[in-house]
Amino acid sequence: QQQVKQSPQSLIVQKGGISIINCAYENTAFDYFPWYQQFPGKGPALLIAIRPDVSEKKEGRFTISFNKSAKQFSLHIMDSQPGDSATYFCAASKGSGYSTLTFGKGTMLLVSP
Amino acid sequence: DGGITQSPKYLFRKEGQNVTLSCEQNLNHDAMYWYRQDPGQGLRLIYYSQIVNDFQKGDIAEGYSVSREKKESFPLTVTSAQKNPTAFYLCASRSLGPASGANNEQFFGPGTRLTVL
Repeated sequence: QQQVKQSPQSLIVQKGGISIINCAYENTAFDYFPWYQQFPGKGPALLIAIRPDVSEKKEGRFTISFNKSAKQFSLHIMDSQPGDSATYFCAASKGSGYSTLTFGKGTMLLVSP
Repeated sequence: DGGITQSPKYLFRKEGQNVTLSCEQNLNHDAMYWYRQDPGQGLRLIYYSQIVNDFQKGDIAEGYSVSREKKESFPLTVTSAQKNPTAFYLCASRSLGPASGANNEQFFGPGTRLTVL
């Protein structure tokens, strides 16, 4: 049972364009939604995270949009750069840090020069 | 320089051998995790531990074993019972407590790539 569904599996965007990655979850108890960025051969690193009390969170060129009623959240990368080429994972967890993160299957983003 | 270290970076195993992957953290985090990453499969949880001398199975624990004798260390043994062990293994750690801001951030190590020959 996949509790967090991520799409698309891969994405090619031109430099300067907007990259959009979507995730949907099933468990309404989830209340923490982070996005991780992973470069080849490296461990993932936290990019940005959101809680359901807000519908949007922005950090630089990265924005999370959250739709609680639809149980969906998305990552928008504005002005995408070749250095943004990486694999992006969405995740979700519930309650306190005692719960484990459930990850989506990842999206490979390639930003063409 | 705080963080999570994993060793070795690359590991080769012959069929039928047990191998142990090391994970050490100096972040004073209570919880530690092991994930397996395969292309197109995302991150799948193998085992996790929230306190010394205690650990829980994740989604794909069969063929793996762990120990948590020290807060800083959470080694993973890939046993011969794991039929398809070739993968990228990631260790992570996280502070526990009420969900608030950075307290929930889970940090990952650099990974160990295991190849069965």
